[in-house]
Amino acid sequence: DVKVTQSSRYLVKRTGEKVFLECVQDMDHENMFWYRQDPGLGLRLIYFSYDVKMKEKGDIPEGYSVSREKKERFSLILESASTNQTSMYLCASIRRDGYNEQFFGPGTRLTVL
Amino acid sequence: AQSVTQLGSHVSVSEGALVLLRCNYSSSVPPYLFWYVQYPNQGLQLLLKYTSAATLVKGINGFEAEFKKSETSFHLTKPSAHMSDAAEYFCAVRAYSGAGSYQLTFGKGTKLSVIP
Repeated sequence: DVKVTQSSRYLVKRTGEKVFLECVQDMDHENMFWYRQDPGLGLRLIYFSYDVKMKEKGDIPEGYSVSREKKERFSLILESASTNQTSMYLCASIRRDGYNEQFFGPGTRLTVL
Repeated sequence: AQSVTQLGSHVSVSEGALVLLRCNYSSSVPPYLFWYVQYPNQGLQLLLKYTSAATLVKGINGFEAEFKKSETSFHLTKPSAHMSDAAEYFCAVRAYSGAGSYQLTFGKGTKLSVIP
């Protein structure tokens, strides 16, 4: 019954490392999203994609990039991880028309030392 | 543009008491509204959604929400709180994101604590 999966639940990286977070959905959704969640700040949108090879910046794209080579897969990349990127990262997907619910992955808790 | 505002970042109730979590929306078109719940260290899961049918919407775990157009509100309620209801709750509205595509815009969340 799993619909959105994320490659890791917990991840520990060092400052300056390149970090890949992968997300896969099995619902044939057009739209996919990456959020970060920090206490008191709610969900903040990093990037989203509404089609293969298409990407749009969200509210806080600095320090991140994304890749969407296949419809079901959306990757978040931290080119050079920094301690202020320690956070919970959530992937989500939804049908293009947005009438149904948005499905979330279980989240990846990333710690950058 | 569509948006939602959740009043109260933290709500505490006693076990067995009424749960009321507030959400007000802003939308230039008839809104599609959602409530999600997030348990610690998990992703968000859908509690209920309003899609312009009945104004009183029932969800999972005994929660319900009433759409009130005159008040632009979509408050979440549960008659009797259980310890297992302790979680963070997010209100969301369907919003246009460009290129014929839609997404959900989320409120900042309300953390519910249940006191034994």
